[in-house]
Amino acid sequence: NAGVTQTPKFRILKIGQSMTLQCTQDMNHNYMYWYRQDPGMGLKLIYYSVGAGITDKGEVPNGYNVSRSTTEDFPLRLELAAPSQTSVYFCASSYWTSGSTDTQYFGPGTRLTVL
Amino acid sequence: KQEVTQIPAALSVPEGENLVLNCSFTDSAIYNLQWFRQDPGKGLTSLLLIQSSQREQTSGRLNASLDKSSGRSTLYIAASQPGDSATYLCAVRGSARQLTFGSGTQLTVLP
Repeated sequence: NAGVTQTPKFRILKIGQSMTLQCTQDMNHNYMYWYRQDPGMGLKLIYYSVGAGITDKGEVPNGYNVSRSTTEDFPLRLELAAPSQTSVYFCASSYWTSGSTDTQYFGPGTRLTVL
Repeated sequence: KQEVTQIPAALSVPEGENLVLNCSFTDSAIYNLQWFRQDPGKGLTSLLLIQSSQREQTSGRLNASLDKSSGRSTLYIAASQPGDSATYLCAVRGSARQLTFGSGTQLTVLP
């Protein structure tokens, strides 16, 4: 199993450009998440999904959009990039059912710079 | 709103020392608490998960405890090694199924 994979690893955007961060998991997890991590800080939840077709906002959703058309994929879209979106983005997944431990597994991250 | 604090922000110890990392949270209504390890430029690796009904979990040289009523957790690392150098993050999960993270403790173990 590859676990959680993210592409690209690095990206530089100009203000106003758009891009999609890709995330795929091969563990058949029902839950998927997008976090951002600013320097010296913990992770903040952007969006999450409890299954295909179902998404919900996290703590910092403004400026982002997500979709979940399959169990495996959970792309994150930035429509109009702003310098405040310079950060490291992590995708994670977990399997939750009643009585499960719900451990989250993380991808390696995408380092995004907006100039 | 849940807030998670980790103290100290950075810690440097000689190899072989036993050490304790601290995590505190403001809302005791949690589902579970996880400790993660993050290496520079890498993603997070889950170390230990403690359910709200549990008091501690152990894995090898690591032991994590949870005192839900006082809003505290500790991560104990025995006989530290240079390979333990990393940032350790604490995260709590509430009923909304979202993780709230602390800002981490950056550990350096000196050979």
